[in-house]
Amino acid sequence: QLQLHESGPRLVKPSETLSLTCTVSGGSISSSSYYWACIRQPPGKGLEWIGSIYYSGSTYYNPSLKSRVTISVDTSKNQFSLKLSSVTAADTAVYYCAIARDYAQGTVDYWGQGTLVTVSS
Amino acid sequence: EIVLTQSPATLSLSPGERATLSCRASQSVSNYLAWYQQTPGQAPRLLIYDASNRATGIPARFSGSGSGTDFTLTISSLEPEDFAIYYCQQCSNWPGTFGQGTKVEIK
Repeated sequence: QLQLHESGPRLVKPSETLSLTCTVSGGSISSSSYYWACIRQPPGKGLEWIGSIYYSGSTYYNPSLKSRVTISVDTSKNQFSLKLSSVTAADTAVYYCAIARDYAQGTVDYWGQGTLVTVSS
Repeated sequence: EIVLTQSPATLSLSPGERATLSCRASQSVSNYLAWYQQTPGQAPRLLIYDASNRATGIPARFSGSGSGTDFTLTISSLEPEDFAIYYCQQCSNWPGTFGQGTKVEIK
């Protein structure tokens, strides 16, 4: 059973960079069946797909965030990571690591528990 | 970007009643649509994929139907644990997008 665990700072100052690391257990991040995704949910609101990465390093970013997002993969550590630069209060959200099936935007079979990241000075 | 519109925003029902939730896409997504359930403080849970296939471990009271632009999630007889928020997601085009959610609340 694949599992995901998010880690990273819970509080980020405005204009700084949000960093989130997702650790995969129960399987290999080099699996050809999955895309590794970052999805967020502002408090009390809906879900927004930030981006996805394939184990080969191919990336897919939401156009609305593309200029500020970098997602990378470290196969040696079975991890992938999100960086979101120049954050504002609007970036306050629960950030989820997720596993999408077959496509960058595929069905999400697995979700991490989510981590609330607050942007505040 | 494909926009998904869910209706109604809130559904007030009693345990044992039937729930019918709608999701409409701004353009055809074929059958590339999933449904998720989210309870407070929890991550979403996959219920239905490819419009009509139940995910592993999902009870038979949950069913999905539709194709193209119009989709329905039906809960045949509501159990207490089914009162939650439900989201649809299209898997057809990048970026994957979600509906705004339908809250199923106890009447």
